[in-house]
This record gives sequence, structure tokens and C-alpha cells, in this order.
Amino acid sequence: DGGITQSPKYLFRKEGQNVTLSCEQNLNHDAMYWYRQDPGQGLRLIYYSQIVNDFQKGDIAEGYSVSREKKESFPLTVTSAQKNPTAFYLCASRPQGGGYTFGSGTRLTVV
Amino acid sequence: AQSVTQLGSHVSVSEGALVLLRCNYSSSVPPYLFWYVQYPNQGLQLLLKYTSAATLVKGINGFEAEFKKSETSFHLTKPSAHMSDAAEYFCAVSESGGSNYKLTFGKGTLLTVNP
Repeated sequence: DGGITQSPKYLFRKEGQNVTLSCEQNLNHDAMYWYRQDPGQGLRLIYYSQIVNDFQKGDIAEGYSVSREKKESFPLTVTSAQKNPTAFYLCASRPQGGGYTFGSGTRLTVV
Repeated sequence: AQSVTQLGSHVSVSEGALVLLRCNYSSSVPPYLFWYVQYPNQGLQLLLKYTSAATLVKGINGFEAEFKKSETSFHLTKPSAHMSDAAEYFCAVSESGGSNYKLTFGKGTLLTVNP
């Protein structure tokens, strides 16, 4: 079955450490997105990519980095520069002209 | 710039009662509008979308929404609530349906259904 896989589902990070969240899709979608969700804040766009080897900053990109070396994969790195990284992270993909498909999310907690 | 306001962060209804979740948008161009549902610790599932065709849009699970340009609103309704409707609902707007569209989300409304 086609879909988006985010891993791990739960992730714990010590302060000062970088951590990478995985997002893989087998839908052959061109565009991929990373959103951050905090209680009462809705979803806010971190980064997005419309094509391999290209990506753009969203509304809250500071402290995050991404890569898009393959069409299927769009990993998100939460760096030590992100001051408040504890949140629920959602990855999504979309074909040209089509609607979003969301992954099931990764809950990151700083300990 | 586009934005979405969802009125009421928490709505509580009785089972069998009308569900009304409010959404107002701001957009500099004719918008594309969406409602998504999220169950705990899961991703978002599309309920319905408005893309400039019929102003009354029917979605899954008995939900529908009406686009009212004069009121810049896109409220979500369901005639009779079911326990399984308890979830968080997000309204979203996009200013383009083409290859460069990004969704801007409201802050969400948590729907509680009481037996």
C-alpha cells in the first residue's frame, strides 16, 4: 500500500543534541512538507520541497534543516539551535495539482 | 497573506446534536479551503475541500461546509453528532491550487461529544 512513513513515532533528545526525523513516501509525490504542531497553535510550516535537490524555508525554519536527495525521502534535522523543540512533527506529501497526504507524526520530547 | 481563524478552541455537543465548527479566512485571491480531522497522535485526514466549484461542499462521515464569500467563512457542519466524531478539526486555506500551493492552518477546534 502507498503512503507516508514517519519514524520513529516517539523520540527523546537531550538538550544540545541534534536529532533527525525520518519521512519516506512511496506515492511518487513531487512535493513534501514538514509541519510542527503545538497544543493550541495549529500546524506551522517548517520547510517544504517541490522537487528533488530543492527546498524552501517555511514560517518557522530557524533551528531546523532538511535535505531532499531522493524523491521518496525528506528528513528533518532538529538542531541544538532550536530552543524549544518539544512538539509533534508532521510530514506531508502532495502530487502536482493534488491534495496533501499526511504521515502519522513523530512526537519529539527534550529531556 | 492568507490566514485562518477558527472561532472556539473547544466545542462540546451531545450525541445526536448539530455540530457547527466555525472558520473565517483571509486571502488576497480566491481561496482554496479545506477541513481536516485529527485523532490523537495521528496525522490529518481530509474531510472536504472547496475549490471554486459548488459553494456547498459535502465530505466524508456526513460533514459538509458552505463557502460564503461575503462573510469570508467556511463553517463545518454535521446534522447529528456521533461519538466517533470526537477529534480535533482544522480549517486550512491556500491561495493557489497549482504546483506552488502551501496550506495555512487555523489553530484547531477540539470537538467533544457527550453521550
